[in-house]
Amino acid sequence: DAKTTQPPSMDCAEGRAANLPCNHSTISGNEYVYWYRQIHSQGPQYIIHGLKNNETNEMASLIITEDRKSSTLILPHATLRDTAVYYCIVRVEREYGNKLVFGAGTILRVKS
Amino acid sequence: NAGVTQTPKFRILKIGQSMTLQCTQDMNHNYMYWYRQDPGMGLKLIYYSVGAGITDKGEVPNGYNVSRSTTEDFPLRLELAAPSQTSVYFCASARGLGSHEQYFGPGTRLTVT
Repeated sequence: DAKTTQPPSMDCAEGRAANLPCNHSTISGNEYVYWYRQIHSQGPQYIIHGLKNNETNEMASLIITEDRKSSTLILPHATLRDTAVYYCIVRVEREYGNKLVFGAGTILRVKS
Repeated sequence: NAGVTQTPKFRILKIGQSMTLQCTQDMNHNYMYWYRQDPGMGLKLIYYSVGAGITDKGEVPNGYNVSRSTTEDFPLRLELAAPSQTSVYFCASARGLGSHEQYFGPGTRLTVT
């Protein structure tokens, strides 16, 4: 699986958009980009995933660059409850076992 | 659905003791996983299973054993607890090959002294 690089921490004002970057310059053509988050020692929670196109769901948007070497997770209106560690993971979609490899992630602090 | 449940929530073990961490899912998922998370670090995969009777090692399997006799249950066994196994343990499940989402349990916080 390709490696990912994320900033160790970011701050965001409540109500503003939070933009979390991720570099995955060695990503291969059949690898998806996944985002999970972990709120204060709870189990991680799936947010969104994408391959080539930008994706949006009720939680967030995922913007993937055309060369797929980087992506950005966007929380459009961050709340205090979005304070968490955010993990960017790349993985082959139909890999046996569907294993996830977690890095250190980005600590997002949403401040009032 | 309860999702993924784990017991116990907390446990303190003495060095050399044994214990089993329990994990159950009620979503009829084929795939199940055990991760550990040390302070300030990301999760590391210990073992995983792609179905009843099938298990395989992850990144950090040493000191642990698993079994999968039913679709619902995936217990993790520590035979001779060591301080290095002090960690938070998460169980997760996924529907199967090609599924994009893993569902995580609330975790078990284990201290070995």
